[in-house]
Amino acid sequence: KAGVTQTPRYLIKTRGQQVTLSCSPISGHRSVSWYQQTPGQGLQFLFEYFSETQRNKGNFPGRFSGRQFSNSRSEMNVSTLELGDSALYLCASSGGTSGGRQETQYFGPGTRLLVL
Amino acid sequence: AQSVTQLGSHVSVSEGALVLLRCNYSSSVPPYLFWYVQYPNQGLQLLLKYTSAATLVKGINGFEAEFKKSETSFHLTKPSAHMSDAAEYFCAVSASGGYNKLIFGAGTRLAVHP
Repeated sequence: KAGVTQTPRYLIKTRGQQVTLSCSPISGHRSVSWYQQTPGQGLQFLFEYFSETQRNKGNFPGRFSGRQFSNSRSEMNVSTLELGDSALYLCASSGGTSGGRQETQYFGPGTRLLVL
Repeated sequence: AQSVTQLGSHVSVSEGALVLLRCNYSSSVPPYLFWYVQYPNQGLQLLLKYTSAATLVKGINGFEAEFKKSETSFHLTKPSAHMSDAAEYFCAVSASGGYNKLIFGAGTRLAVHP
C-alpha cells in the first residue's frame, strides 16, 4: 500500500505571497492532519480534516487554512506569507473512524517551505 | 491539558551500547503515548505506541518503552545501538478532546559513534 504523499517536496516563496500544499493520504484513510515543524517551535498541530470537515484546529492564525476533498486528499493554504512561516509542513493520515485518540497517524515526507 | 517533556536534546552513545531516551508526560486524561523517529529529510515513522493494553510496549527495530504511571514516564530503550539508529526521536501524547491531535516533545537527537 502506498504511503502518504506530499507535493511539492520543496518550495521557495517571497513574503506576501500565498502557497498551497497538497497531501494524498494512504488509500482508505479518511483523516488528514497537518503539522508545522520548525527548529524553534518544534512540531505543532495545525488542523485535522475528516470527511471534508475540519474536526480539530490548532493555535495558528487565520492565514493558515485547509480543506479536504471527497477522495480524502487535502490541501493547506497559507496566505500573506511571513518569514516565520518557513518550515517543514507534515501531513499525516489515519483511518479516522475507529481508534479515536489512540489511532496511529502515518506521516508523509513533508513539504519544506522557504519564505524569502 | 497535555504536555510532553523530553530530557536531553542530544544523546550520544557508542555502537553496541544501551540507548535510553527519556520522556515524561502530563495528561488530565488517560494518556495514549507514541514514539516517532525522523531521519534526515524524511517524515516521521512510528516506532511504538502505548494504548493501555500493556505497560511494556515493543516496537520496531528492537526498541521498546515502558509506561510508568507513577512516574508519568514513557522512556524509550534499545539494548544495543546500531549506527543506523542515528536520528531524531519524538515522544508524543494524544490530546484530549478526541481524534487526531498529537502533542510532541521537543525531540532528542541520537548520535551513535563507532
